[in-house]
Amino acid sequence: AQSVAQPEDQVNVAEGNPLTVKCTYSVSGNPYLFWYVQYPNRGLQFLLKYITGDNLVKGSYGFEAEFNKSQTSFHLKKPSALVSDSALYFCAVRDLTGGGNKLTFGTGTQLKVEL
Amino acid sequence: GAVVSQHPSRVICKSGTSVKIECRSLDFQATTMFWYRQFPKQSLMLMATSNEGSKATYEQGVEKDKFLINHASLTLSTLTVTSAHPEDSSFYICSASLAGVPYEQYFGPGTRLTVT
Repeated sequence: AQSVAQPEDQVNVAEGNPLTVKCTYSVSGNPYLFWYVQYPNRGLQFLLKYITGDNLVKGSYGFEAEFNKSQTSFHLKKPSALVSDSALYFCAVRDLTGGGNKLTFGTGTQLKVEL
Repeated sequence: GAVVSQHPSRVICKSGTSVKIECRSLDFQATTMFWYRQFPKQSLMLMATSNEGSKATYEQGVEKDKFLINHASLTLSTLTVTSAHPEDSSFYICSASLAGVPYEQYFGPGTRLTVT
Protein backbone atom coordinates (compact mmCIF):
# COMPACT_ATOMS: atom_id res chain seq x y z
CA ALA A 1 0.00 0.00 0.00
CA GLN A 2 1.02 3.56 -0.55
CA SER A 3 1.88 5.72 2.41
CA VAL A 4 3.21 9.10 3.39
CA ALA A 5 4.90 10.12 6.59
CA GLN A 6 4.98 13.53 8.18
CA PRO A 7 7.56 13.20 10.92
CA GLU A 8 6.76 16.46 12.69
CA ASP A 9 3.52 16.99 14.56
CA GLN A 10 4.24 20.69 14.84
CA VAL A 11 6.57 23.21 13.26
CA ASN A 12 7.15 26.63 14.76
CA VAL A 13 8.69 29.43 12.76
CA ALA A 14 9.00 33.17 13.10
CA GLU A 15 7.22 35.38 10.62
CA GLY A 16 9.50 36.30 7.75
CA ASN A 17 11.66 33.21 8.14
CA PRO A 18 11.63 30.36 5.66
CA LEU A 19 9.53 27.35 6.54
CA THR A 20 9.76 23.67 5.69
CA VAL A 21 7.16 21.01 6.39
CA LYS A 22 8.51 17.53 5.78
CA CYS A 23 6.93 14.63 3.95
CA THR A 24 8.34 11.30 2.83
CA TYR A 25 6.51 8.75 0.76
CA SER A 26 6.44 5.08 -0.04
CA VAL A 27 4.77 4.06 -3.29
CA SER A 28 4.97 1.43 -5.93
CA GLY A 29 5.08 2.96 -9.35
CA ASN A 30 5.17 6.65 -10.14
CA PRO A 31 4.14 8.83 -7.22
CA TYR A 32 1.38 11.39 -7.48
CA LEU A 33 1.93 13.68 -4.49
CA PHE A 34 -0.19 16.45 -3.04
CA TRP A 35 -0.14 19.08 -0.32
CA TYR A 36 -3.30 20.40 1.31
CA VAL A 37 -3.89 22.97 4.03
CA GLN A 38 -6.70 22.94 6.56
CA TYR A 39 -7.83 25.85 8.68
CA PRO A 40 -9.85 25.19 11.86
CA ASN A 41 -13.26 23.67 11.22
CA ARG A 42 -12.79 23.88 7.48
CA GLY A 43 -12.27 21.44 4.65
CA LEU A 44 -8.99 20.95 2.87
CA GLN A 45 -7.61 23.46 0.42
CA PHE A 46 -5.35 22.29 -2.38
CA LEU A 47 -1.87 23.83 -2.40
CA LEU A 48 0.07 21.98 -5.05
CA LYS A 49 0.77 18.64 -6.66
CA TYR A 50 3.54 16.70 -8.32
CA ILE A 51 2.61 14.38 -11.14
CA THR A 52 5.56 14.59 -13.49
CA GLY A 53 7.99 17.15 -14.84
CA ASP A 54 10.05 19.63 -12.86
CA ASN A 55 11.01 18.51 -9.41
CA LEU A 56 10.27 21.96 -7.99
CA VAL A 57 6.55 22.53 -7.95
CA LYS A 58 5.06 25.96 -7.28
CA GLY A 59 1.63 26.26 -5.76
CA SER A 60 -0.83 28.58 -4.09
CA TYR A 61 -0.04 31.32 -1.58
CA GLY A 62 3.69 31.30 -2.34
CA PHE A 63 4.22 27.68 -1.35
CA GLU A 64 6.43 25.30 -3.26
CA ALA A 65 7.55 21.71 -2.86
CA GLU A 66 10.54 19.79 -4.06
CA PHE A 67 10.16 16.24 -5.29
CA ASN A 68 13.26 14.22 -4.46
CA LYS A 69 13.12 10.72 -5.85
CA SER A 70 16.34 9.46 -4.27
CA GLN A 71 15.23 10.55 -0.82
CA THR A 72 11.54 9.75 -1.47
CA SER A 73 10.64 13.14 -0.11
CA PHE A 74 8.25 15.91 -1.03
CA HIS A 75 8.89 18.70 1.47
CA LEU A 76 6.71 21.80 1.47
CA LYS A 77 8.52 25.12 1.58
CA LYS A 78 7.92 28.83 1.66
CA PRO A 79 10.67 31.45 1.56
CA SER A 80 9.00 33.85 4.01
CA ALA A 81 6.34 32.68 6.43
CA LEU A 82 3.27 34.71 7.37
CA VAL A 83 1.22 34.49 10.55
CA SER A 84 -1.75 33.68 8.32
CA ASP A 85 0.05 30.51 7.16
CA SER A 86 -0.60 29.01 10.59
CA ALA A 87 -2.73 25.95 9.89
CA LEU A 88 -2.68 22.17 9.60
CA TYR A 89 -0.85 20.82 6.56
CA PHE A 90 -1.37 17.42 5.01
CA CYS A 91 0.76 15.55 2.53
CA ALA A 92 -1.06 12.95 0.44
CA VAL A 93 -0.29 10.33 -2.17
CA ARG A 94 -2.50 8.77 -4.77
CA ASP A 95 -3.40 5.24 -3.76
CA LEU A 96 -4.58 2.81 -6.40
CA THR A 97 -5.00 -0.06 -3.93
CA GLY A 98 -8.13 -2.03 -4.68
CA GLY A 99 -8.51 -0.48 -8.07
CA GLY A 100 -9.71 2.83 -6.77
CA ASN A 101 -8.28 6.30 -7.06
CA LYS A 102 -7.90 7.23 -3.43
CA LEU A 103 -5.74 9.62 -1.52
CA THR A 104 -3.78 8.42 1.46
CA PHE A 105 -2.99 11.23 3.86
CA GLY A 106 -0.18 11.77 6.26
CA THR A 107 -0.91 12.48 9.89
CA GLY A 108 -0.65 16.21 9.40
CA THR A 109 1.75 18.89 10.63
CA GLN A 110 0.54 21.86 12.60
CA LEU A 111 2.38 24.97 11.45
CA LYS A 112 2.57 27.87 13.85
CA VAL A 113 4.00 31.13 12.61
CA GLU A 114 4.72 33.64 15.33
CA LEU A 115 5.47 37.33 15.26
CA GLY B 1 -14.06 26.46 -10.51
CA ALA B 2 -14.34 23.00 -8.94
CA VAL B 3 -16.30 24.05 -5.88
CA VAL B 4 -17.77 21.50 -3.51
CA SER B 5 -20.36 22.39 -0.90
CA GLN B 6 -21.65 20.51 2.12
CA HIS B 7 -24.84 20.94 4.02
CA PRO B 8 -25.30 21.36 6.87
CA SER B 9 -22.06 22.81 8.18
CA ARG B 10 -23.01 21.90 11.72
CA VAL B 11 -25.64 19.57 13.09
CA ILE B 12 -26.57 18.43 16.55
CA CYS B 13 -28.79 15.40 16.92
CA LYS B 14 -29.99 13.16 19.67
CA SER B 15 -28.70 9.67 20.18
CA GLY B 16 -30.70 7.13 18.18
CA THR B 17 -31.77 9.50 15.43
CA SER B 18 -30.47 9.63 11.88
CA VAL B 19 -28.86 12.56 10.17
CA LYS B 20 -28.18 13.21 6.49
CA ILE B 21 -25.26 15.20 5.13
CA GLU B 22 -25.26 16.43 1.55
CA CYS B 23 -22.26 16.94 -0.67
CA ARG B 24 -22.66 18.83 -3.92
CA SER B 25 -20.31 19.67 -6.74
CA LEU B 26 -21.45 23.13 -7.77
CA ASP B 27 -19.80 23.71 -11.10
CA PHE B 28 -18.70 20.35 -12.38
CA GLN B 29 -19.87 16.80 -12.71
CA ALA B 30 -18.31 14.51 -10.18
CA THR B 31 -18.09 10.93 -11.29
CA THR B 32 -16.60 9.95 -7.96
CA MET B 33 -17.16 11.31 -4.49
CA PHE B 34 -15.35 10.41 -1.32
CA TRP B 35 -16.40 10.59 2.30
CA TYR B 36 -13.88 11.13 5.06
CA ARG B 37 -14.05 11.30 8.80
CA GLN B 38 -11.67 13.37 10.87
CA PHE B 39 -11.21 13.21 14.61
CA PRO B 40 -9.80 16.23 16.47
CA LYS B 41 -6.19 16.91 15.59
CA GLN B 42 -6.00 13.78 13.47
CA SER B 43 -5.74 12.95 9.82
CA LEU B 44 -8.55 12.21 7.44
CA MET B 45 -9.80 8.66 7.39
CA LEU B 46 -11.43 7.56 4.16
CA MET B 47 -14.79 5.98 4.88
CA ALA B 48 -16.05 5.19 1.41
CA THR B 49 -15.84 5.94 -2.27
CA SER B 50 -18.99 6.39 -4.30
CA ASN B 51 -19.47 6.43 -8.02
CA GLU B 52 -22.58 7.86 -9.55
CA GLY B 53 -25.27 5.27 -10.02
CA SER B 54 -23.51 2.45 -8.25
CA LYS B 55 -23.06 1.19 -4.73
CA ALA B 56 -20.43 2.79 -2.57
CA THR B 57 -17.20 0.98 -1.77
CA TYR B 58 -16.55 1.08 1.95
CA GLU B 59 -13.17 0.94 3.61
CA GLN B 60 -12.38 -1.86 5.97
CA GLY B 61 -13.96 -1.37 9.35
CA VAL B 62 -16.62 1.08 8.20
CA GLU B 63 -20.17 -0.18 8.78
CA LYS B 64 -22.09 0.25 5.56
CA ASP B 65 -25.43 -0.20 7.31
CA LYS B 66 -24.62 2.59 9.69
CA PHE B 67 -23.15 5.02 7.19
CA LEU B 68 -25.45 4.96 4.18
CA ILE B 69 -24.08 6.60 1.09
CA ASN B 70 -26.11 7.52 -1.95
CA HIS B 71 -24.70 9.03 -5.12
CA ALA B 72 -27.81 9.51 -7.17
CA SER B 73 -26.54 12.15 -9.57
CA LEU B 74 -23.29 13.52 -10.90
CA THR B 75 -23.53 16.50 -8.57
CA LEU B 76 -24.91 15.08 -5.34
CA SER B 77 -23.85 12.48 -2.83
CA THR B 78 -25.39 11.99 0.60
CA LEU B 79 -24.10 10.39 3.77
CA THR B 80 -26.72 9.27 6.28
CA VAL B 81 -25.57 8.37 9.75
CA THR B 82 -28.22 6.01 11.02
CA SER B 83 -29.07 5.53 14.68
CA ALA B 84 -26.36 7.94 15.65
CA HIS B 85 -24.47 7.58 18.91
CA PRO B 86 -22.11 9.96 20.69
CA GLU B 87 -19.10 8.10 19.31
CA ASP B 88 -20.25 9.08 15.81
CA SER B 89 -19.59 12.71 16.68
CA SER B 90 -16.91 13.87 14.31
CA PHE B 91 -16.02 16.14 11.43
CA TYR B 92 -17.18 14.66 8.14
CA ILE B 93 -15.62 15.88 4.90
CA CYS B 94 -16.55 14.98 1.36
CA SER B 95 -14.56 15.40 -1.80
CA ALA B 96 -15.25 15.00 -5.48
CA SER B 97 -13.18 14.25 -8.52
CA LEU B 98 -13.68 15.11 -12.14
CA ALA B 99 -14.13 12.57 -14.87
CA GLY B 100 -10.80 12.11 -16.59
CA VAL B 101 -8.81 13.51 -13.66
CA PRO B 102 -9.58 10.97 -10.97
CA TYR B 103 -6.53 11.68 -8.86
CA GLU B 104 -7.45 15.28 -8.13
CA GLN B 105 -9.97 15.72 -5.36
CA TYR B 106 -11.83 18.88 -4.45
CA PHE B 107 -12.91 19.07 -0.86
CA GLY B 108 -16.03 20.37 0.75
CA PRO B 109 -15.90 22.59 3.84
CA GLY B 110 -16.90 19.78 6.18
CA THR B 111 -19.80 19.04 8.51
CA ARG B 112 -19.44 19.00 12.27
CA LEU B 113 -21.74 16.34 13.72
CA THR B 114 -22.43 16.28 17.43
CA VAL B 115 -24.56 13.50 18.86
CA THR B 116 -25.92 14.15 22.33
